[in-house]
Amino acid sequence: EVQLVESGGGLVQPGGSLRLSCAASGFTFTTYPMNWVRQAPGKGLEWVSNIRTSSENMEYYADSVKGRFTISRDDAKNSLYLQLSGLRAEDTAIYYCATDYGYAFDIWGQGTMVTVSS
Amino acid sequence: QSALTQPRSVSGSPGQSVTISCTGTSVGVDNYNRVSWYQQHPGKAPKLMIYDVSKRPSGVPDRFSGSTSGNTASLTISGLQAEDEADYYCCSYAGTHTWVFGGGTQLTVL
Repeated sequence: EVQLVESGGGLVQPGGSLRLSCAASGFTFTTYPMNWVRQAPGKGLEWVSNIRTSSENMEYYADSVKGRFTISRDDAKNSLYLQLSGLRAEDTAIYYCATDYGYAFDIWGQGTMVTVSS
Repeated sequence: QSALTQPRSVSGSPGQSVTISCTGTSVGVDNYNRVSWYQQHPGKAPKLMIYDVSKRPSGVPDRFSGSTSGNTASLTISGLQAEDEADYYCCSYAGTHTWVFGGGTQLTVL
């Protein structure tokens, strides 16, 4: 079964850090660029970051998170990561990982909730 | 304000057709012809319904169709069914491996 499972969310204070993980199974992870997309409570979807395959070795970020978030992948572990730092209240959201199907997001995980609050 | 503008809500009766629009403001929908649409039921992850403007992934009913005209993309759902009630988001590729989403449209099946 094709599956993405996120983990690592939680409550963190403003200015704090958190590392999100996304475990992939059921498909050839190494051949897929990957993305993080987030959704603030009661709000719409926001693309956050994209990482190409390891052979391309490139990362891209939304302006809202550039310089604070870092995307990475470990193909040996079939895993995607998002390191969040300098967290702000407006970063509070469900964070989804999703496969990059050409120019769309094909497979989605169930999401992990990040709450930034003192 | 999103770079893509969608109506906040649309509604239709079972069996009818509805169309959800998605107009580019700061992002040109027609720049790359890479518009996708996502369906999201409450508490669930989004699901890809349309990609590359008008292509349907395997398993998506042909009641769902997509198109563009100028800087506006549209998702049309024909033969509305109760299970189509959900939020719908358009998304456009914005170049250099970046994307923008619309603000979302809540579809109510009356």
